[in-house]
Amino acid sequence: AQTVTQSQPEMSVQEAETVTLSCTYDTSESDYYLFWYKQPPSRQMILVIRQEAYKQQNATENRFSVNFQKAAKSFSLKISDSQLGDAAMYFCASNTGNQFYFGTGTSLTVIP
Amino acid sequence: GAGVSQTPSNKVTEKGKYVELRCDPISGHTALYWYRQSLGQGPEFLIYFQGTGAADDSGLPNDRFFAVRPEGSVSTLKIQRTERGDSAVYLCASSPDLGGANTEAFFGQGTRLTVV
Repeated sequence: AQTVTQSQPEMSVQEAETVTLSCTYDTSESDYYLFWYKQPPSRQMILVIRQEAYKQQNATENRFSVNFQKAAKSFSLKISDSQLGDAAMYFCASNTGNQFYFGTGTSLTVIP
Repeated sequence: GAGVSQTPSNKVTEKGKYVELRCDPISGHTALYWYRQSLGQGPEFLIYFQGTGAADDSGLPNDRFFAVRPEGSVSTLKIQRTERGDSAVYLCASSPDLGGANTEAFFGQGTRLTVV
């Protein structure tokens, strides 16, 4: 089984500033993938960014990037130039092919 | 449709009643997942299908929960003798290929079930 831990229930950031959301995971698998999903009030989970565990290079998607530390089993999400539309719940997840394991989420508030 | 569709969006039922929750996955997606999300928690795995068969139902909490996907497309999650503790948002997701762990899961907007 895998576990995913998000230790920040709530975070806030000033508009246009940068914020980092933390995530740690635990797995015995050698091949796995990590994801950050965003869940706005509409409830629909939206993929933000994905990282292959075998790749050392950190994934980047526009204003979103990750800091993947495999040895430490850490997978943080950095949001640059935060926008009001970034306000949502953010879930970190791991996947070995059969299931997605989710953390408990971080509620991000963006302050105008 | 363009995305995963779940109906109803909201369902209120009385304790002890039977409910069915429906999921229409993205056309052509072979893998389908059901998750349950309680208030303040992340989604919790219930079951996934590869085609018509339940490839892993280890997350179903007890035998009151059952899911089917008879034609490999639409899936129905069935809950018998509902209890107040079943109240949650039930999320469905589909993905095009079960073979790779990197496959993105596309989620629906969920069904909020309230048992009174």
